[in-house]
Amino acid sequence: GNSVTQMEGPVTLSEEAFLTINCTYTATGYPSLFWYVQYPGEGLQLLLKATKADDKGSNKGFEATYRKETTSFHLEKGSVQVSDSAVYFCAQTPNTGFQKLVFGTGTRLLVSP
Amino acid sequence: ETGVTQTPRHLVMGMTNKKSLKCEQHLGHNAMYWYKQSAKKPLELMFVYSLEERVENNSVPSRFSPECPNSSHLFLHLHTLQPEDSALYLCASSQEGHEWGARGYTFGSGTRLTVV
Repeated sequence: GNSVTQMEGPVTLSEEAFLTINCTYTATGYPSLFWYVQYPGEGLQLLLKATKADDKGSNKGFEATYRKETTSFHLEKGSVQVSDSAVYFCAQTPNTGFQKLVFGTGTRLLVSP
Repeated sequence: ETGVTQTPRHLVMGMTNKKSLKCEQHLGHNAMYWYKQSAKKPLELMFVYSLEERVENNSVPSRFSPECPNSSHLFLHLHTLQPEDSALYLCASSQEGHEWGARGYTFGSGTRLTVV
């Protein structure tokens, strides 16, 4: 079945460091891919998405590129801020049929000043 | 008001109590979901409603009873819960259909439930 695998956290960085959170997926066909972010005490918010191979999603300085050949959708940011501390979830949904969202386990990011 | 609204934000209940969680969406979506988020565990999909019909029930104990009276409202009725049911319960909605799935889900802020 469809699944998403994320790197385990926590990821601990200093402010202005480069961030990469790895995400790979298994799927039948070509799913849409998402990154969600959950700030403390809140629900999940859509951060960015990509719906086909080679698409790049971007938002708030974060980027992720849909790589069909490596079935990956790694999240990157060039310079993290303390306010980026949160849990990040990679997810996929098929592009046909009932589009149930499948999540990874989440990766906690801690950014220190 | 826009988005997905969940009430209450926090709930403490005894094991013999009966309570309900409410979710309301103002996005015109046609599918709604309940997720359970426990500490150190992945998000668990509990129930899925599409066009007000339950399309998925992931082996959830019968002490959790969902209700979807219309496309804008979703309830989770709780009775005789256990302490291990303490968690953040998240509601989400989406618009299902060709090409709409790529828009993803919109989540509420969740209800933090503590069973004592």
